[in-house]
Amino acid sequence: GIQVEQSPPDLILQEGANSTLRCNFSDSVNNLQWFHQNPWGQLINLFYIPSGTKQNGRLSATTVATERYSLLYISSSQTTDSGVYFCAVERDLGGQNFVFGPGTRLSVLP
Amino acid sequence: EPEVTQTPSHQVTQMGQEVILRCVPISNHLYFYWYRQILGQKVEFLVSFYNNEISEKSEIFDDQFSVERPDGSNFTLKIRSTKLEDSAMYFCATGVKNIQYFGAGTRLSVL
Repeated sequence: GIQVEQSPPDLILQEGANSTLRCNFSDSVNNLQWFHQNPWGQLINLFYIPSGTKQNGRLSATTVATERYSLLYISSSQTTDSGVYFCAVERDLGGQNFVFGPGTRLSVLP
Repeated sequence: EPEVTQTPSHQVTQMGQEVILRCVPISNHLYFYWYRQILGQKVEFLVSFYNNEISEKSEIFDDQFSVERPDGSNFTLKIRSTKLEDSAMYFCATGVKNIQYFGAGTRLSVL
């Protein structure tokens, strides 16, 4: 099956810093979404981004489907950005379910 | 953003008991999913459901699990005889046009 890797596994930042999270996947994908899991366990949908670039406030994401990776940028980080960021992909040509990466645990310190 | 509602938020049960986890999907969505996340681990796919039948399931989704849409609105996951290793967060998701929206999850604790 498709493999999804995320890096780094853990990231500690000072408030106000910028960061880049990476997601690599091993096969063509039909769908890619980024999620933020907050400290209460809720999965918040950040971006639906199978290709191209999107921005939403301090967050932006880029997926280069031909090279099988996606990047999530967080600018001017805040303590509320803390949590785990998951990349999830839906494989192309069959299969409707998401395969999640292992996540990047982000801690933003005041 | 549209909301997927899950109940209960936390369920505590004794080993061997049956549990039913409930999900109210977004009204015009046609695809339904259940996922599981054991504490500290990644989210794993369990089952997808479309047109009132299972369309895909993982090897985790064995005979102890079942899903149904009993009244055309709610979508349920039943675990027939819970085991300690079923303790996890269970997420319902619903989808349309490739985007999946996740509920807040039900934390299941099996004692």
